[in-house]
Amino acid sequence: DAMVIQNPRYQVTQFGKPVTLSCSQTLNHNVMYWYQQKSSQAPKLLFHYYDKDFNNEADTPDNFQSRRPNTSFCFLDIRSPGLGDAAMYLCATSRDRGVTSPLHFGNGTRLTVT
Amino acid sequence: GENVEQHPSTLSVQEGDSAVIKCTYSDSASNYFPWYKQELGKRPQLIIDIRSNVGEKKDQRIAVTLNKTAKHFSLHITETQPEDSAVYFCAASSNSGTSYGKLTFGQGTILTVHP
Repeated sequence: DAMVIQNPRYQVTQFGKPVTLSCSQTLNHNVMYWYQQKSSQAPKLLFHYYDKDFNNEADTPDNFQSRRPNTSFCFLDIRSPGLGDAAMYLCATSRDRGVTSPLHFGNGTRLTVT
Repeated sequence: GENVEQHPSTLSVQEGDSAVIKCTYSDSASNYFPWYKQELGKRPQLIIDIRSNVGEKKDQRIAVTLNKTAKHFSLHITETQPEDSAVYFCAASSNSGTSYGKLTFGQGTILTVHP
């Protein structure tokens, strides 16, 4: 079954300790996105890859980085997590940018920072 | 950039009643408007979408209407059932400018359907 898979589902890290979240997709989509969703809020786009082209949102902190080593995988690196970074992190894909390409979300990774 | 406002923030209905959620957007270049349903602890799932060349779209108990002149769109759920209880997000996307291909989400509506 083609899908977007995020690992782990739950991640606990310590304040300031680097953490990496992973996302893989079997849809062969060109675009991969990372969203941050805090409790009772809308998903907030951090950045996206269009193929190998990285696109950062202007208000995404430098603390957040991403890597896309190939079409199938994309990683979110949080270099020095703060308490305010505790959230659900959602990976999503779309076949292309633009109106013909709905987003397909993974199940998310819930990050706790202690 | 795009700004999407969604109302109400919470909506409580009796089973069998209709529910309506409304969104407005600011960027006249926006031309794609999806709606996502998110159950507690789960991923957002696309339930219906509409493109700017269409005024209304229906899928069983769910319908979406779009008024491009007024820049607003609405989700209508008829004959609501308890399993419709979730958070609903509207979103808007543009094919041009700095918002190209990006979805901007509304703030969400918590829908509760009481049996």
